Amino acid sequence: QVQLVQSGAEVKKPGASVKVSCKAYGYTFTTYYIHWVRQAPGQGLEWMGIINPSRSSTTYAEKLQGRVTMTRDTSTSTVYMELNSLRSEDTALYYCAREPIAVAGLGMDHWGQGTLVTVSS
Amino acid sequence: DIQMTQSPSSLSASVGDRVTISCRASQIFNDYLNWYQQKPGKAPKLLIYAVSSLQSGVPSRFSGSGSGTDFTLTISSLQPEDFATYYCQQSYTSPHTFGQGTKLEIK
Repeated sequence: QVQLVQSGAEVKKPGASVKVSCKAYGYTFTTYYIHWVRQAPGQGLEWMGIINPSRSSTTYAEKLQGRVTMTRDTSTSTVYMELNSLRSEDTALYYCAREPIAVAGLGMDHWGQGTLVTVSS
Repeated sequence: DIQMTQSPSSLSASVGDRVTISCRASQIFNDYLNWYQQKPGKAPKLLIYAVSSLQSGVPSRFSGSGSGTDFTLTISSLQPEDFATYYCQQSYTSPHTFGQGTKLEIK
């Protein structure tokens, strides 16, 4: 069945980088966008960006431009999200989620389990 | 950017109540408006896409409506498992912004 399986929790120091993976199972990898969404403790959902795994094209939230990079490996059906120059405000649960490419507006129908990234000195 | 504003931010209701949650966009866009439910410690779950289309497997007590800048999520008869936080989201243009969330609590 469809699954998005994310890598495990990370603890990083301020200024460091983190790379979170999201491995897709049960569907054709290149037919769905992957979004990254994060949620700080006790807060709402924040959209971070999107990657088209077929073309490797990306769009990032303006506030993260220059610090975030999303990549994909089609051989392993895996998408990666790397965030640099980490700050305490980046402490959050990071989710990947998929949305169909061929038909717009169908929403994010499957989500990963979330990866907790803690930034602390 | 399109800003999404939900109201109310929190809501207390009883099992069996009819509940509506509103979502207002800062500018008009097409029908790419989605609703998600999130329970504590869980990933969000897609309930409604394209304003009013029910995602597969979602109970029919959930419905969505609206157009232009004003959208509504309605739960016709609250069940115990519906107490959660609800988010609207526009997927018309990047950034695909979410509302701030509406926490639905048991009265």
